[in-house]
Amino acid sequence: GIQVEQSPPDLILQEGANSTLRCNFSDSVNNLQWFHQNPWGQLINLFYIPSGTKQNGRLSATTVATERYSLLYISSSQTTDSGVYFCAVEREDYQAGTALIFGKGTTLSVSS
Amino acid sequence: NAGVTQTPKFQVLKTGQSMTLQCAQDMNHEYMSWYRQDPGMGLRLIHYSVGAGITDQGEVPNGYNVSRSTTEDFPLRLLSAAPSQTSVYFCASSYGKNTEAFFGQGTRLTVV
Repeated sequence: GIQVEQSPPDLILQEGANSTLRCNFSDSVNNLQWFHQNPWGQLINLFYIPSGTKQNGRLSATTVATERYSLLYISSSQTTDSGVYFCAVEREDYQAGTALIFGKGTTLSVSS
Repeated sequence: NAGVTQTPKFQVLKTGQSMTLQCAQDMNHEYMSWYRQDPGMGLRLIHYSVGAGITDQGEVPNGYNVSRSTTEDFPLRLLSAAPSQTSVYFCASSYGKNTEAFFGQGTRLTVV
C-alpha cells in the first residue's frame, strides 16, 4: 500500500518562530490533506491540497504531486499551534473520499 | 449544524463483550469512514463507505463490522472485544470524492 512519511517527528519552537513540516508519499495521489490535532484530541482540517499552493492566515501548504511531497509552513508560531500535524493521502486509483492513509504525524510544541 | 457526532465519548468494555460505536453526520455527506488512533501509529483506516449500502475494508478491518443503511449513520460494531482494540476511534465524512474530510470528536475505548 501507499506509504506516508512525515518529518520531523518532533519539533520544539519558541513563540514567533517559523517552521516547515514535510510529507513524502510513495504513490500518485488525488487527495492530500493536512490536519491539526489539538491537545484535546480534536482533528481539524487545515488544507485539502492534492497539488499547488494554498494559504490560510499564518499557515500555508504546497504540494508537488510530480515529486510526491507536500510542505506545511507555519509562520510566527503561537502556543495555540501546539499539537500534532498529520498528512493524509488517498491513492489516485481510489475514489472513496475519506479512505485516507495517514502519516505518523509531527508533534509541535510552541513555548512562550 | 452539528457536523459529525460520535457516541459515546468514553467506554470501558470487558473482554468478549460486544458494542456499537455510533457515528452520525448531518451534512448530507456520501462518504464516511472509521479510523483508530494508537500512540505513535497515527490514524489507521478500519472501514469506509461511499454511500448507503456500500462499504469496504480499510487497513485494519479484523474484529470490526460496519453497515450503512442510511446516508446519515455509519455505526462500527465490535463483535467480541479484545484488549488489542483499546484505542481512540474517529469517524469522518466528506461530501465528495476529492473534498476535505471532517472528523468527529472521537470515542476513547478501553477493553479490560
